[in-house]
Amino acid sequence: DSGVTQTPKHLITATGQRVTLRCSPRSGDLSVYWYQQSLDQGLQFLIQYYNGEERAKGNILERFSAQQFPDLHSELNLSSLELGDSALYFCASSPGGRRTFGELFFGEGSRLTVL
Amino acid sequence: AQRVTQPEKLLSVFKGAPVELKCNYSYSGSPELFWYVQYSRQRLQLLLRHISRESIKGFTADLNKGETSFHLKKPFAQEEDSAMYYCALKDAGGTSYGKLTFGQGTILTVHP
Repeated sequence: DSGVTQTPKHLITATGQRVTLRCSPRSGDLSVYWYQQSLDQGLQFLIQYYNGEERAKGNILERFSAQQFPDLHSELNLSSLELGDSALYFCASSPGGRRTFGELFFGEGSRLTVL
Repeated sequence: AQRVTQPEKLLSVFKGAPVELKCNYSYSGSPELFWYVQYSRQRLQLLLRHISRESIKGFTADLNKGETSFHLKKPFAQEEDSAMYYCALKDAGGTSYGKLTFGQGTILTVHP
């Protein structure tokens, strides 16, 4: 499958812990986006990377950080976890640059549960 | 700041009835709007984009700049249309190519 892949699919952890979510974009896509989905807020944009560089930042908490590596995969690090961080975290990719015409390709998401 | 509002979190209709999912946006420039859909156990995917003026799976959406709306419509709903629908606005400014701002989503249920 050459689509966007995210790992892990499910993650249960405790408050105060730190987790890393991983995303591999579609082959050839240079842009990676992270979104948080919760029942009350819908899909919230967190951060975007293009070819290793941060391009846009949304409502991302200081406890969260991300990066995109030379092989274009990306990781979202969530630390000092709180109950409210429980959500579905989506990664999406697109060709990037001016070749992006609005279609983002989404992964299946990583469901994080903080107990 | 750009914003997308979907006022209905839940929408239920019967099969064969018309359906309209509402979307309003706030954007100072010329908007590029999209509808994304997430069927049960499937990934979020693009349904249609306003610049294409296309009809996908019987759905259409017209951009109304005067009312800043981009409502999604289908004259005869089918059970397979049951899904979560997101309206999205493309950020065309700065260095962010392709970032989308999504609404809160509407869960459409089509009853037999």
